[in-house]
Amino acid sequence: QVQLVQSGGGVVQPGKSLRLSCAASGFTVSIYDLDWVRQAPGKGLEWVAFMSSDGRNQDYTDSVKGRFTISRDISRNTLSLQMDSLRVEDTAIYYCARQGGGHFFDFWGKGALVTVSS
Amino acid sequence: SFVLTQPPSVSVAPGETATITCGGNNIASETVHWYQQIPGQAPLLVTYDDGDRPSGIPERFSAFKSGNTATLTISRVEAGDEADYHCQVWGGSSDHRLFGGGTKLTVL
Repeated sequence: QVQLVQSGGGVVQPGKSLRLSCAASGFTVSIYDLDWVRQAPGKGLEWVAFMSSDGRNQDYTDSVKGRFTISRDISRNTLSLQMDSLRVEDTAIYYCARQGGGHFFDFWGKGALVTVSS
Repeated sequence: SFVLTQPPSVSVAPGETATITCGGNNIASETVHWYQQIPGQAPLLVTYDDGDRPSGIPERFSAFKSGNTATLTISRVEAGDEADYHCQVWGGSSDHRLFGGGTKLTVL
C-alpha cells in the first residue's frame, strides 16, 4: 500500500539549516507530483513546495523562495526538502504529500516537527 | 491574491447535518478539495474535484459550490467526525495554491 515515511525534523537555531526526507513506498516518485505542506502550531495548513512528476518543475510559496529547495532521488524513491536560513516563523509540522490524479493530496506522511528557536 | 475564508468553528448535535463553508472570490470557477484532520494526525482527503469521494469515505460527506462559497456537508454527524476541516484549491501561480484557515467541528 502507499506510504510516505518522514524523517529529519528537530530543533535548530535561526539562520541554520535542516533537511527533511520522505521515503515513498507503494508507488514510484517519478510518476506523481509531490509536495511539502506545513502547519504552524495551532494554525491552518500552508502549501510550501512542489515537485513535478517529471522532475523538471519546482515551485515554492513566496516566503521560502531562495531558502528552501525541494528535490527527489528516484533511485531511493525519496523526496527531500533542504531548508536553509531558517527563521522562527518556519516553525511547523512539515508534511510530505502526494498529488492524486488532480491537484489534490491523496496521501500524506505523518509529519515532522521543525522548531526554529534560539 | 486569492484567499479562502472558513469559519473558525462549527457545532452540531449527533445525528444532525454539519455545514462547513469556504469562501473565495468566484470560488465556483475553482476546483475545491476538502480534508479532515483529527488533532495530532495528518490530514485525510474526504472529497476531491468538487465532490468526489476517495475509497473508504462515507457517503455522508458531500461537497458543492456556488458563487463565492464552497460547502462541505456532513450528514448524520457522528462523534468520530469531530475534527478540523480544511478546503483547498490549486491555481497556476504559487500564490494561488492554498488552503483555507480550517474549521473546527465540534459534536455536542
